[in-house]
Amino acid sequence: NAGVTQTPKFQVLKTGQSMTLQCAQDMNHNSMYWYRQDPGMGLRLIYYSASEGTTDKGEVPNGYNVSRLNKREFSLRLESAAPSQTSVYFCASSEGPYNSPLHFGNGTRLTVT
Amino acid sequence: KQEVTQIPAALSVPEGENLVLNCSFTDSAIYNLQWFRQDPGKGLTSLLLIQSSQREQTSGRLNASLDKSSGRSTLYIAASQPGDSATYLCAVNAGNNRKLIWGLGTSLAVNP
Repeated sequence: NAGVTQTPKFQVLKTGQSMTLQCAQDMNHNSMYWYRQDPGMGLRLIYYSASEGTTDKGEVPNGYNVSRLNKREFSLRLESAAPSQTSVYFCASSEGPYNSPLHFGNGTRLTVT
Repeated sequence: KQEVTQIPAALSVPEGENLVLNCSFTDSAIYNLQWFRQDPGKGLTSLLLIQSSQREQTSGRLNASLDKSSGRSTLYIAASQPGDSATYLCAVNAGNNRKLIWGLGTSLAVNP
């Protein structure tokens, strides 16, 4: 039982490059989330998917897109990376939207130069 | 606007001590509150979730309390161990959009 799996663990991009962060959960959870964590700013929600087939913007969606591929997988895409997107990205899942504990992946450390 | 504050930002205690971590929120209209721990370079692990109708939750050496009227939650750790060293974050589920509002965390060091 792996829980929430994120890939890659580390990534370095040049400004303007694109990439997709992958996330998969094996707990049959309905809801999935993408957060970024920056020093002094805490965790900020980028996008979330309350259930398969739906996605909604969080606090900081600009510069990102998401795809809820199926119930297990929720990917985050940076179309044209900017230095301001240097951060640690976490995927999380829960049985329902915020009425049950969140389970987090181990994060992706992204540096944009 | 809901705001969540965790004070102190850092805490260092000797092994074996009982300790209390604090989480304050500005709007008492919450649905639930969660406590998490984060180890360096890792994701967050959910410790306890308290629904708005509950006063406390317990798991092993951890006890979390919730006082909505005063806008406060505490996480009590009994008989602390070096393995408890981590950052502890609280998050409040508040408002119509059901989004979590996060504190910045308390970094705990338990010294052998």
